[in-house]
Amino acid sequence: EPEVTQTPSHQVTQMGQEVILRCVPISNHLYFYWYRQILGQKVEFLVSFYNNEISEKSEIFDDQFSVERPDGSNFTLKIRSTKLEDSAMYFCASRNRGGNQPQHFGDGTRLSIL
Amino acid sequence: KNEVEQSPQNLTAQEGEFITINCSYSVGISALHWLQQHPGGGIVSLFMLSSGKKKHGRLIATINIQEKHSSLHITASHPRDSAVYICAVKETSGSRLTFGEGTQLTVNP
Repeated sequence: EPEVTQTPSHQVTQMGQEVILRCVPISNHLYFYWYRQILGQKVEFLVSFYNNEISEKSEIFDDQFSVERPDGSNFTLKIRSTKLEDSAMYFCASRNRGGNQPQHFGDGTRLSIL
Repeated sequence: KNEVEQSPQNLTAQEGEFITINCSYSVGISALHWLQQHPGGGIVSLFMLSSGKKKHGRLIATINIQEKHSSLHITASHPRDSAVYICAVKETSGSRLTFGEGTQLTVNP
């Protein structure tokens, strides 16, 4: 069965550095999402992306965050200048066209900011 | 108040027991997901429901739209069912998912 793949599985970065998290969604999917889960807390929505633009974003997704689909297969989340509180598990998800298609999740990238 | 509330927060069962996890929500939704998260952190989608009931193996999910309530049942529970079970709703407007806090299930042999 096709899968959403995320790399790296674990990223350790110094505070203030830029980090890029990568996702390869399922190939025929058109809608893409990033979520994050701070340790011990619930999963939170960050951003959704469709037709090469952001369709919805949460209050968490401030100017430090950006998303891109650079080459038609990858979907990336960039954090420009990382803070300690950005330490979390970041999940990518994708879904197909149609009102009630399920979202498929990747295994996540654990981001640790030192 | 959270838009999605799950109960219980923690559940310990003996192998073979019938398990029920509940989810209540306060917003209008077009669909509800039940997800499983293992200790490594990865999330697996179990069900997506917009009405009625779905069954997959030993797992059954039901939803009552009028009462804004869903349940996940596990029959003949097994230690490999130990995981965090998460309810997430897709609101009527937009496509984002809003998540509950999760239920930590531990099934002892």
